[in-house]
Amino acid sequence: DGGITQSPKYLFRKEGQNVTLSCEQNLNHDAMYWYRQDPGQGLRLIYYSQIVNDFQKGDIAEGYSVSREKKESFPLTVTSAQKNPTAFYLCASMGWREGSYNEQFFGPGTRLTVL
Amino acid sequence: GQQLNQSPQSMFIQEGEDVSMNCTSSSIFNTWLWYKQEPGEGPVLLIALYKAGELTSNGRLTAQFGITRKDSFLNISASIPSDVGIYFCAGQGRGAQKLVFGQGTRLTINP
Repeated sequence: DGGITQSPKYLFRKEGQNVTLSCEQNLNHDAMYWYRQDPGQGLRLIYYSQIVNDFQKGDIAEGYSVSREKKESFPLTVTSAQKNPTAFYLCASMGWREGSYNEQFFGPGTRLTVL
Repeated sequence: GQQLNQSPQSMFIQEGEDVSMNCTSSSIFNTWLWYKQEPGEGPVLLIALYKAGELTSNGRLTAQFGITRKDSFLNISASIPSDVGIYFCAGQGRGAQKLVFGQGTRLTINP
């Protein structure tokens, strides 16, 4: 089955440590995205990538870093510079399907808690 | 960043009632998408709209792409308990690389 996987589902880290969240997709999509969601809030864009080896900052990129070495993978690193990292992180990919329609799909999310 | 105005922010209804929610934008969009998110999960795509005036159904869900290209509507008929969740709208302009999301409508259903 095609889809987006994020691992782990729950992640705990001590304050001051960097942590990397995994995102893999087998939908053959070119574009991938990282969003942050706080309790009761909407989605805020952190970073996105349209092609391999290229990515752009979203609305809240400070304290985060990404890489796009492979089309299937778009890992997100939450650095110690991120002042309030505890949140629910969602990865998404977007691509064209039959009929030239563009749709974005989400992974199941990773809940990061910094102690 | 730009956001869509989604309303209402929350709804408390009785099982069996119909539900309506909408999103408006100051910009024109070429694509409107509607998602549902359940607690602790990622949003799931419900309906995608690509033409102004388009009306599309998915079971009890019906969504419309507004004629002005600046709004979209989602209706749920005869609500059931599993409809509970947060519904998000998203729009994409021509050539845009990313979606713009609404803040969500939280739906609660009393059995």
